[in-house]
Amino acid sequence: GESVGLHLPTLSVQEGDNSIINCAYSNSASDYFIWYKQESGKGPQFIIDIRSNMDKRQGQRVTVLLNKTVKHLSLQIAATQPGDSAVYFCAENGAAGNKLTFGGGTRVLVKP
Amino acid sequence: DAGVIQSPRHEVTEMGQEVTLRCKPISGHDYLFWYRQTMMRGLELLIYFNNNVPIDDSGMPEDRFSAKMPNASFSTLKIQPSEPRDSAVYFCASSQQGPYEQYFGPGTRLTVT
Repeated sequence: GESVGLHLPTLSVQEGDNSIINCAYSNSASDYFIWYKQESGKGPQFIIDIRSNMDKRQGQRVTVLLNKTVKHLSLQIAATQPGDSAVYFCAENGAAGNKLTFGGGTRVLVKP
Repeated sequence: DAGVIQSPRHEVTEMGQEVTLRCKPISGHDYLFWYRQTMMRGLELLIYFNNNVPIDDSGMPEDRFSAKMPNASFSTLKIQPSEPRDSAVYFCASSQQGPYEQYFGPGTRLTVT
């Protein structure tokens, strides 16, 4: 299903390789960041989050890195699998606190 | 846990008709969010509720859009009258606390002809 703009950045990854998805956030006041995965025809699925008092957080096969100096967030997926093919969104809570602002998304295509 | 439930999953209607989208949040979640997703604008927050009270509706595009949350387990988003530019996927999400770990429903794909 359609999810984001026609010109989504796309990352092609060989199955078994590691993936790194990058996100530049805009608001230096943001203190909460989150990554979502969206498969075609489905709603965004929570992957992992991180607060600004941390610079790294690990989950199952995923790691989120936060660099507040340059306002950069990344999601690393270890041993990428075909089921990881999806659009990935980062989001930040900004100055508003309770609201999330979403980035445009990155499409990940896993090649067998 | 059934997750966030939305209905209908697909809605096709003619311009000028009233459309009502429904959402049941995860039990125990105090926050409910309505989003719209389009190819051109991505995911946009329309409105959110805390403990059934609308807190921020600054994302609602115009007066044709309204949302209610009569109780902790049900919310509606209504468009009256609908227009072709309202065609999008509408998501409902809920969380226990503010923006943290919002869980999304499967969405309602709305097509207005």
